[in-house]
Amino acid sequence: QVQLQQSGAELVKPGTSVKLSCKASGYTFTSNHMNWIKQTTGQGLEWIGIINPGSGGTSYNVKFKGKATLTVDKSSSTAFMQLSSLTPEDSAVYYCARRNDFDYWGQGVMVTVSS
Amino acid sequence: DIQMTQSPSVLSASVGDRVTLNCKASQNINKYLNWYQQKLGEAPKLLIYNTNNLQTGIPSRFSGSGSGTDYTLTISSLQPEDVATYFCFQHNSWPHTFGAGTKLELK
Repeated sequence: QVQLQQSGAELVKPGTSVKLSCKASGYTFTSNHMNWIKQTTGQGLEWIGIINPGSGGTSYNVKFKGKATLTVDKSSSTAFMQLSSLTPEDSAVYYCARRNDFDYWGQGVMVTVSS
Repeated sequence: DIQMTQSPSVLSASVGDRVTLNCKASQNINKYLNWYQQKLGEAPKLLIYNTNNLQTGIPSRFSGSGSGTDYTLTISSLQPEDVATYFCFQHNSWPHTFGAGTKLELK
């Protein structure tokens, strides 16, 4: 069965970066795009960007350009999202989700940005 | 960006009730509308894709309808385990966008 397993919660300091992971199993990793989504109480669910694991091609929501960088490691069927220059406004739960229609989601990872 | 507006924001209903949740897009989304259920502390789960297609494993009491800009999720007979927040989501055009959610509570 399709599973997306995300890395654990992060507590990070302002101005630093964090790299989140999403390990896929139960399907052909390179045949399905992977998305990243941010969820906060205030802004709700926001699409961050998408990556084609086969080609490495990416597309970003303009709001997150320069903030998020998406990559993959095909050998381990893992997608990554690096968030840079972190501020308290980046504190959120981040999800990975498969395909253009977001059919399967990871369990989410809470990122807390605090000094 | 396409704005998705859900109503009501909170809905209280009794077990066995027929419940209807609404979602309105700011422009035509050509039935590329999904519904997700999110329980407290969990990831969203896909219920309905492309307006009216039931995802595998989802109970048949859930159904979806709509076209153009207006869409509906119906629960034919509310069960206690349906308490959750429900989000609509358009994947007709980028950036894909979500509604703010309807929180479904038991009366």
